[in-house]
Amino acid sequence: EVQLVESGGGLVQPGGSLRLSCAASGFTFSSYEMNWVRQAPGKGLEWVSYISSSGSTIYYADSVKGRFTISRDNAKNSLYLQMNSLRAEDTAVYYCARVEGIVRGMDVWGQGTTVTVSS
Amino acid sequence: DIQMTQSPSSLSASVGDRVTITCRASQGISNYLAWFQQKPGKAPKSLIYAASSLQSGVPSKFSGSGSGTDFTLTISSLQPEDFATYYCQQYNSYPWTFGQGTKVEIK
Repeated sequence: EVQLVESGGGLVQPGGSLRLSCAASGFTFSSYEMNWVRQAPGKGLEWVSYISSSGSTIYYADSVKGRFTISRDNAKNSLYLQMNSLRAEDTAVYYCARVEGIVRGMDVWGQGTTVTVSS
Repeated sequence: DIQMTQSPSSLSASVGDRVTITCRASQGISNYLAWFQQKPGKAPKSLIYAASSLQSGVPSKFSGSGSGTDFTLTISSLQPEDFATYYCQQYNSYPWTFGQGTKVEIK
């Protein structure tokens, strides 16, 4: 079964850091591009970051550029999001999502992990 | 950035109704358009990719159409399990962007 499982969320103070992980199983992780998408409480979906299958190409939303870093370890079938200088507006559920090629877009999502930035 | 605008933002419908949601892109995106369904407290579920292709396992009551800037999602006969929020999303170019969502509620 194709599965993505996020972890690492929690409560952090403004200005703090957190590292999210996404564990992939049931497919050849190294062959797929990946995204992080977030959803603030009661709000819509917001794309956060993209990484190519090899890790050589990376994109960020302007709202997180310079503060967040996406990475992956294909040997460990894992995707990461290092979040620094966190702000209250970063409070959200963070999802990792698999990209099934340029034609099919995001096809599989994890269950999400909650990040709360508050003092 | 490409802006995605959905309408309506919410709608009330009855079981068995045919429902149509529209999505407009601020510039042409060819057919790089996906639709997602999200239920409260759950992750989004992919329904349609490439504007009109059903993801594996998605029932045929869901259909999508459009190209360029104007797209639609249609649910042919609304069932209790279809009451949810639906999002369109363009993947023509980064940053990928979503519509604001359409909440489908029970009348």
